[in-house]
Amino acid sequence: DSGVTQTPKHLITATGQRVTLRCSPRSGDLSVYWYQQSLDQGLQFLIQYYNGEERAKGNILERFSAQQFPDLHSELNLSSLELGDSALYFCASSVGRGHRGETQYFGPGTRLLVL
Amino acid sequence: GESVGLHLPTLSVQEGDNSIINCAYSNSASDYFIWYKQESGKGPQFIIDIRSNMDKRQGQRVTVLLNKTVKHLSLQIAATQPGDSAVYFCAENREAGGTSYGKLTFGQGTILTVHP
Repeated sequence: DSGVTQTPKHLITATGQRVTLRCSPRSGDLSVYWYQQSLDQGLQFLIQYYNGEERAKGNILERFSAQQFPDLHSELNLSSLELGDSALYFCASSVGRGHRGETQYFGPGTRLLVL
Repeated sequence: GESVGLHLPTLSVQEGDNSIINCAYSNSASDYFIWYKQESGKGPQFIIDIRSNMDKRQGQRVTVLLNKTVKHLSLQIAATQPGDSAVYFCAENREAGGTSYGKLTFGQGTILTVHP
């Protein structure tokens, strides 16, 4: 158990809908990262927040957005869902800003299925 | 390069054998590398890391080797056990714009199967 929690574990929805994925980092960690894992793209970095502020951005679609709240939990919002958004979404956390050498601990993931 | 999820390389070994999992990276600016293990239905789990100023690092039953000349990374698992069966990913963390961000770029992964 990494100490990172994610809810829900599974999510089934329809195209065009909007969903929110939630992540609670390990106690004391200030950075939260979101990754998408799909069969054709592998594990892809989406976005990082540090202490409530966006820190780094990857190939995150404009339909996707995230935020980190004062209690450091984070939410990833996916809107206008398409079939291709079906994937595993992982949250990771680390203690600081994400400098080299800082271990990222991954949560168990949320499996999203868009029908 | 970017990770590709289809057609993951596979490695099949017998329990007790040593395993070697390889990873090639393309960006010579990458200076920090991590190996993760992902078991079915779980998130990636940190195994070991290495900085670019090192060429070898050892952990418990695992050793990571880094060859910067050919941009190659390997993970050696000694006395492989059935519990080691998983997908193994290498990941790189590279400095961007003078600031170290936490963006990890993952390789495609290798499926390791350990037979009792």
